[in-house]
Amino acid sequence: DTGVSQDPRHKITKRGQNVTFRCDPISEHNRLYWYRQTLGQGPEFLTYFQNEAQLEKSRLLSDRFSAERPKGSFSTLEIQRTEQGDSAMYLCASSPRSDEQFFGPGTRLTVL
Amino acid sequence: GDSVTQMEGPVTLSEEAFLTINCTYTATGYPSLFWYVQYPGEGLQLLLKATKADDKGSNKGFEATYRKETTSFHLEKGSVQVSDSAVYFCALSALTGNSGGYQKVTFGTGTKLQVIP
Repeated sequence: DTGVSQDPRHKITKRGQNVTFRCDPISEHNRLYWYRQTLGQGPEFLTYFQNEAQLEKSRLLSDRFSAERPKGSFSTLEIQRTEQGDSAMYLCASSPRSDEQFFGPGTRLTVL
Repeated sequence: GDSVTQMEGPVTLSEEAFLTINCTYTATGYPSLFWYVQYPGEGLQLLLKATKADDKGSNKGFEATYRKETTSFHLEKGSVQVSDSAVYFCALSALTGNSGGYQKVTFGTGTKLQVIP
């Protein structure tokens, strides 16, 4: 399967804990995006990487959130000191040099 | 800023009925327009797209036409099947950003479609 993959698919954590999600984009896609989707809403942009450089961050990305793409391939999204409001689906997408983005299956986070 | 408005659901149809899901957008410049579909427990899949005015995107019996004069991109299908039950998202993509530009995608809130046998 050469699509976008995300790990884990589901994460349940207690408030105050740190969590980390991983995204493996389609190989050779140099652009990578993270989105957050809450119940009944469309995905909202969080951050964008071109190769290893993080070029854009949404105001939604508070200082508890950090994302990396160290070698321009896979990416990680870490949330520190999780809050109940962080419960959502976190989606990763990758893109070649075009306007089309290819989405992974998402990581569903539940903060208790 | 850019925005997408789509009709609220859920939409419930009988199998073989005609489907229309309305979508309108607000954007500066000339965005590309998309419909994505999300099945339960899965990520978004691109259903169809159109990149300029009067373009028609089509896939799996679904169609949508980029109407610049009405800023709309309504999704239609002539005969829905139970397997079409999913959430449908209208979206636009526009070049933006402070660092050389990137394709920012703005999504609508989604319309849940339920098709009953």
